[in-house]
Amino acid sequence: GENVEQHPSTLSVQEGDSAVIKCTYSDSASNYFPWYKQELGKGPQLIIDIRSNVGEKKDQRIAVTLNKTAKHFSLHITETQPEDSAVYFCAASKGGTASKLTFGTGTRLQVTL
Amino acid sequence: DTGVSQDPRHKITKRGQNVTFRCDPISEHNRLYWYRQTLGQGPEFLTYFQNEAQLEKSRLLSNRFSAERPKGSFSTLEIQRTEQGDSAMYLCASSLAGTGLNGYTFGSGTRLTVV
Repeated sequence: GENVEQHPSTLSVQEGDSAVIKCTYSDSASNYFPWYKQELGKGPQLIIDIRSNVGEKKDQRIAVTLNKTAKHFSLHITETQPEDSAVYFCAASKGGTASKLTFGTGTRLQVTL
Repeated sequence: DTGVSQDPRHKITKRGQNVTFRCDPISEHNRLYWYRQTLGQGPEFLTYFQNEAQLEKSRLLSNRFSAERPKGSFSTLEIQRTEQGDSAMYLCASSLAGTGLNGYTFGSGTRLTVV
């Protein structure tokens, strides 16, 4: 089955700096790669996603890049703010946006003042 | 209808007892998923429904676990003869398949503690 690895497990940045989280996946048939943000006591919230026919997608301060050849994808957050502090999960799916997801192990992002 | 609702938010039970959780998805969503999340890990797929049909069940899911979605709306997840290893956050999510629109919406989860 699919295996998703995520790095780093913790990341501390100063407010205003950029943060990058990287994931690799094992199944070349995967075609949908969402990123979720999870705050304490809440369920994961979708923040951005990318499909396999696209190399990059941006939404304000958040961007995701996908390298299908290398089977890795990354989340980039620019101009970080304290409210960006949370746990971020990457995930992969073979069946598109409404199919079973395999999640990475998460990155705890801490944005310090 | 503001999102996916899960009930209860917290459940403490003694080992060996049965527990049942409920999930109310976004009303127009036809797919409903159950995931389990342990501390420091990402959510792990358990099972999912399209309308009332259970289409896939994880091989990791013990036969003590059963899920239903009787009328294609809300769903229940039952764990029989709970064990300490069942302690986790149980997450429900829903989505609208067939449209290509944005993926899942998760609920806030039910945190189960087995003592």
